[in-house]
Amino acid sequence: QVQLQESGPGLVKPSQTLSLTCTVSGVSISSGSVYWSWLRQPAGKGLEWIGRVHSTGNSDHNPSLRSRVTISMETSKNQFSLNLNSVTAADTAIYYCAREGMIVGLYAIDNWGQGTLVTVSS
Amino acid sequence: DIQMTQSPSSLSASVGGRVTITCRASQSISRYLNWYQHKPGKAPELLIYTASSLQSGVPSRFSGSGSGTVFTLTISSLQPEDFATYYCQQSYTTPRSFGQGTKLEIK
Repeated sequence: QVQLQESGPGLVKPSQTLSLTCTVSGVSISSGSVYWSWLRQPAGKGLEWIGRVHSTGNSDHNPSLRSRVTISMETSKNQFSLNLNSVTAADTAIYYCAREGMIVGLYAIDNWGQGTLVTVSS
Repeated sequence: DIQMTQSPSSLSASVGGRVTITCRASQSISRYLNWYQHKPGKAPELLIYTASSLQSGVPSRFSGSGSGTVFTLTISSLQPEDFATYYCQQSYTTPRSFGQGTKLEIK
């Protein structure tokens, strides 16, 4: 059974870098054709896709976040990470890590972490 | 980017009732459409993938249909545990995008 758990600071100051780690258990993050993703949900709003890293290490992200996003893998620890720099209050949200796996040839987000609240405030 | 629009944004229904949620894409996404259920304080759960396929373990009272730009999620015989927020999501291209959500409340 695949399980994902987010970890990282719950409070980040404006203009600094938000750093989160997702620890995966039950499967190797470097196996299969799978994407390891980050999403977020600001209070009272819907889900926003931040970006993802493929099991081979290639990553892509939402252009709306410009070049503030870096997503990377650390296969030795079976973890992947999110760095979001130059944060503002608009980045305050619940952050989810998730797995986007292939089901019958198409991709869907089939496993999610519980989410972690990150507040941007001085 | 592909915009996803859900309607209604909220609705109330009774246990045992039937509801339908509509999701529209700003361009054709074939059948690359997934539905998720989200309860407060919990992780979202995949209900339906490729527009109409039920994820393993999801009750058969959930069903999905559609292709191209218009999709629907129907829940028949509503159970107390079904009251939640539902999101559609396109997996046709990146950036992935979600509808704004439909909050289903008990009448």
